[in-house]
Amino acid sequence: AQSVTQPDIHITVSEGASLELRCNYSYGATPYLFWYVQSPGQGLQLLLKYFSGDTLVQGIKGFEAEFKRSQSSFNLRKPSVHWSDAAEYFCAVATNTNAGKSTFGDGTTLTVKP
Amino acid sequence: NAGVTQTPKFQVLKTGQSMTLQCAQDMNHNSMYWYRQDPGMGLRLIYYSASEGTTDKGEVPNGYNVSRLNKREFSLRLESAAPSQTSVYFCAIGGSTDEQFFGPGTRLTVL
Repeated sequence: AQSVTQPDIHITVSEGASLELRCNYSYGATPYLFWYVQSPGQGLQLLLKYFSGDTLVQGIKGFEAEFKRSQSSFNLRKPSVHWSDAAEYFCAVATNTNAGKSTFGDGTTLTVKP
Repeated sequence: NAGVTQTPKFQVLKTGQSMTLQCAQDMNHNSMYWYRQDPGMGLRLIYYSASEGTTDKGEVPNGYNVSRLNKREFSLRLESAAPSQTSVYFCAIGGSTDEQFFGPGTRLTVL
């Protein structure tokens, strides 16, 4: 069975600073990997996904993530954070079988300081 | 195109009461899911449906039942609500490459 770990429960960065959110997964084969964002009181929105090809993927809102098979990681990055990026971020892993069920990490809450 | 809709948005129940959470989609996806979200615990899968007419248990199914009424609708029922079921419930649907699209959530409080 697959699993996802987000080591950082809470991260605080200054507006304009760079951001990296960590995600590690456990799965025997190449998984499908996702990052979602959740603003307060809202549902989750897909930021980006990886399932094959180029290991650096671009997403919405200026985010990118890099799949590193050797480290079982899929870290999310943004070069310059905006105050509107404050939210909770979830990493998820799925396989290409089993009804497309995803396993979600526990989330990382991002606070942006002015 | 509303995507995924959920009703109600908020609900307060007394212990032992029953209720049904409704989810509907207009994106024509086969897979539908029910999650609960609790602080510090991420999303936990309650039940899912890979296609119309099929349902399967997820990680935390106890105390819940589901019905996949047709391709569009997937309901979650609490037969006898307990305070431990106080949570935010999300319905999601599965995309073509396994990404999921989420509804806005139902905030349930059981007193």
